Amino acid sequence: GENVEQHPSTLSVQEGDSAVIKCTYSDSASNYFPWYKQELGKGSQLIIDIRSNVGEKKDQRIAVTLNKTAKHFSLHITETQPEDSAVYFCAATPFSSGSARQLTFGSGTQLTVLP
Amino acid sequence: DTAVSQTPKYLVTQMGNDKSIKCEQNLGHDTMYWYKQDSKKFLKIMFSYNNKELIINETVPNRFSPKSPDKAHLNLHINSLELGDSAVYFCASSSYLGTGQETQYFGPGTRLLVL
Repeated sequence: GENVEQHPSTLSVQEGDSAVIKCTYSDSASNYFPWYKQELGKGSQLIIDIRSNVGEKKDQRIAVTLNKTAKHFSLHITETQPEDSAVYFCAATPFSSGSARQLTFGSGTQLTVLP
Repeated sequence: DTAVSQTPKYLVTQMGNDKSIKCEQNLGHDTMYWYKQDSKKFLKIMFSYNNKELIINETVPNRFSPKSPDKAHLNLHINSLELGDSAVYFCASSSYLGTGQETQYFGPGTRLLVL
């Protein structure tokens, strides 16, 4: 099965600086890589995702890069703001002919943006 | 309106008791999931149902029994609760698109504490 490793487990940055979170996956059949943000006391929300047919995707201050050869993908947050503080999870899922998508999550990164 | 809702939000109970957690989604999705998040924030799939049928059943003790009365609901019943069951349980839902890349929407979580 798929195994996803995520680093670092904690990350503190000054407001305005950039933050980078990295994940590696083991199953070369994985082709969908979402990133979720979990704020304290809330469920996880999808913030960005990338398919295996692209190498980079950007949405305002958030970008994700994917290197299929090396089997790793990264989340980049620029111009960080205090409201970016949360736990971020990467995930990977292989395409399946079944109807349910079995997301395998990384262990999470607690991002703290210091004012 | 909340897309994926769970009740209760908090659940404190004694070891050996039987308890249920309810999940409802109003997104018209046909697939629902239960995840367990342990103290280290690791999110792991437990079950997945598609159109009221069990699709994914990870290695979960048979004290955990999911029940899906209809496509909009997936409840989790836990018998003979143990200390190790203490965790946050997240419900999620998605809609099958056949692409393998459907977004999962998460509920706010149920914090279970077994004493």
